[in-house]
Amino acid sequence: AQTVTQSQPEMSVQEAETVTLSCTYDTSESDYYLFWYKQPPSRQMILVIRQEAYKQQNATENRFSVNFQKAAKSFSLKISDSQLGDAAMYFCAYRSANSGGSNYKLTFGKGTLLTVNP
Amino acid sequence: ETGVTQTPRHLVMGMTNKKSLKCEQHLGHNAMYWYKQSAKKPLELMFVYNFKEQTENNSVPSRFSPECPNSSHLFLHLHTLQPEDSALYLCASSQAGRAEDTQYFGPGTRLTVL
Repeated sequence: AQTVTQSQPEMSVQEAETVTLSCTYDTSESDYYLFWYKQPPSRQMILVIRQEAYKQQNATENRFSVNFQKAAKSFSLKISDSQLGDAAMYFCAYRSANSGGSNYKLTFGKGTLLTVNP
Repeated sequence: ETGVTQTPRHLVMGMTNKKSLKCEQHLGHNAMYWYKQSAKKPLELMFVYNFKEQTENNSVPSRFSPECPNSSHLFLHLHTLQPEDSALYLCASSQAGRAEDTQYFGPGTRLTVL
């Protein structure tokens, strides 16, 4: 079974600075997807960024980028120029790309609570 | 409305009550999900519906009963719940079968069982 580990329960960053959130996962599969979701205090879970394991290029989405290290099974999220609105709980998630069974099942980490200080 | 909506946003119920949570997706997706989010625990997948058919029941107690009348609507019927069932219940939808198959979430229902 796949597992996702977020080793940082809480992180803080100064506004306009850069912060990196860590995520590691365990899987025996070679093809899969990784996601970062953001859950602000309003509770709506929002997709931040997605990475396909077969792509070597790291995904980027405006101020958000990932460092995907497949061999190390690491998938960290970097937030540049942090803004007050970035304050939220961030979840890392894994999904298999294999067809059939529970291929659409997302496995989540426990989350990292990010505080942005003005 | 767009995206995934859930009603009610807050629900307080006694252990003997019967209530239902509703989820509606406006994204044209064919798969819908119920998740339970408890404090300091990872999100737990409860049920999956693919083309209105339940394809996964993740060992959920029978006091939770899902219903998916069509691909846009998903319900979670609740009866004789326990205080430990208090949590945030999240609904999600996706276009299963596509490689990217990203799940989009609703705002959740905060359930308190007294």
